Amino acid sequence: DQQVKQNSPSLSVQEGRISILNCDYTNSMFDYFLWYKKYPAEGPTFLISISSIKDKNEDGRFTVFLNKSAKHLSLHIVPSQPGDSAVYFCAEGNTDKLIFGTGTRLQVFP
Amino acid sequence: NAGVTQTPKFQVLKTGQSMTLQCAQDMNHNSMYWYRQDPGMGLRLIYYSASEGTTDKGEVPNGYNVSRLNKREFSLRLESAAPSQTSVYFCASSDRTVYTDTQYFGPGTRLTVL
Repeated sequence: DQQVKQNSPSLSVQEGRISILNCDYTNSMFDYFLWYKKYPAEGPTFLISISSIKDKNEDGRFTVFLNKSAKHLSLHIVPSQPGDSAVYFCAEGNTDKLIFGTGTRLQVFP
Repeated sequence: NAGVTQTPKFQVLKTGQSMTLQCAQDMNHNSMYWYRQDPGMGLRLIYYSASEGTTDKGEVPNGYNVSRLNKREFSLRLESAAPSQTSVYFCASSDRTVYTDTQYFGPGTRLTVL
């Protein structure tokens, strides 16, 4: 039973526009969420996180929104750049490990 | 400061062969993890070690064993490789707190079992 779902396997966005990546979860007992970015042939790298007591966290071009009533998490990238093209994973932090979603492949085209 | 290192980068095994994937971190982290990544499946946790001397099963532990050799090193062993274990394996480490668990990943080992 997938606890963290990324229902869009891929997303294509024009350079300069906003990219919105979504994540839904089922477990309400989480402590925090994280977003990771992964380039081909590399390990995932940490991007941004949000704790359960917040509904928004911002870091430069990246903003994560948390809607606890809808059990929904989103990552906004503004403006999108070609270097943002990668696979993005959301992860739920609970007890002593992370639970990852299946990932969304973002392609930013000129 | 190398972060998390993994060896080997690539490996091809025949069914039934054994091998050990090595992982080391130089960030003085307490927790270490092994994941596998398969197409459409995301990152699935195989085993983890919350501290030196402890190990616990993750989501997909069958067919694997682990050893937390010391605080720096965490190895993953396949005793009798099967084609279903063809995957990309990632090691990670973190210094988790109550508030967050930022994991740092190695570059991965691409394993093919024929």
